[in-house]
Amino acid sequence: QQQVKQSPQSLIVQKGGISIINCAYENTAFDYFPWYQQFPGKGPALLIAIRPDVSEKKEGRFTISFNKSAKQFSLHIMDSQPGDSATYFCAAILTGTASKLTFGTGTRLQVTL
Amino acid sequence: NAGVTQTPKFQVLKTGQSMTLQCAQDMNHEYMSWYRQDPGMGLRLIHYSVGAGITDQGEVPNGYNVSRSTTEDFPLRLLSAAPSQTSVYFCASSSARDTRGPLEQYFGPGTRLTVT
Repeated sequence: QQQVKQSPQSLIVQKGGISIINCAYENTAFDYFPWYQQFPGKGPALLIAIRPDVSEKKEGRFTISFNKSAKQFSLHIMDSQPGDSATYFCAAILTGTASKLTFGTGTRLQVTL
Repeated sequence: NAGVTQTPKFQVLKTGQSMTLQCAQDMNHEYMSWYRQDPGMGLRLIHYSVGAGITDQGEVPNGYNVSRSTTEDFPLRLLSAAPSQTSVYFCASSSARDTRGPLEQYFGPGTRLTVT
């Protein structure tokens, strides 16, 4: 049972464009929603995260939008750059449950020149 | 400060063989986890530990054993490898005291395992 559903599976965006990746979750007890970025041959690394009491969080070109009623959240990458080409994973966690992250299936982003 | 280290980077096993994937962290983190990454399935939690001597099962624990005798090390054992265990394995650690946010997980570089 996939508790965090992620789309699209792959995405091609032109340099300077906006990349949008969407996730939906089922468990309303989740209380922390991180996004991880993974480059080929590397482990995932935390990119940005949000709590459900906030509707939006922005860090540089990366923004998370959160819709608690719809149980959905999304990652927006503004002014996408070739260096942003990577696989992105959304995730969810109950912060009282130690290190039990539930991941989405991943989105492979390619930013073309 | 090396962060999270994993050995080996690559491994090929034959069905039925056993091996241990090593994981170590030097950040004094309480929590450590093992994930496997398969195409189209994201990362799935195998086992995790909240401290030395304490381990528990994740989403896909069958075929894997873990132990945590020290804070630093969290090895993953495959007792009798099967082709279904072909995957990339990631170890991660986190601390409840991380000021950037609760339970940010720091991942190692991964071990690519092929079982033939």
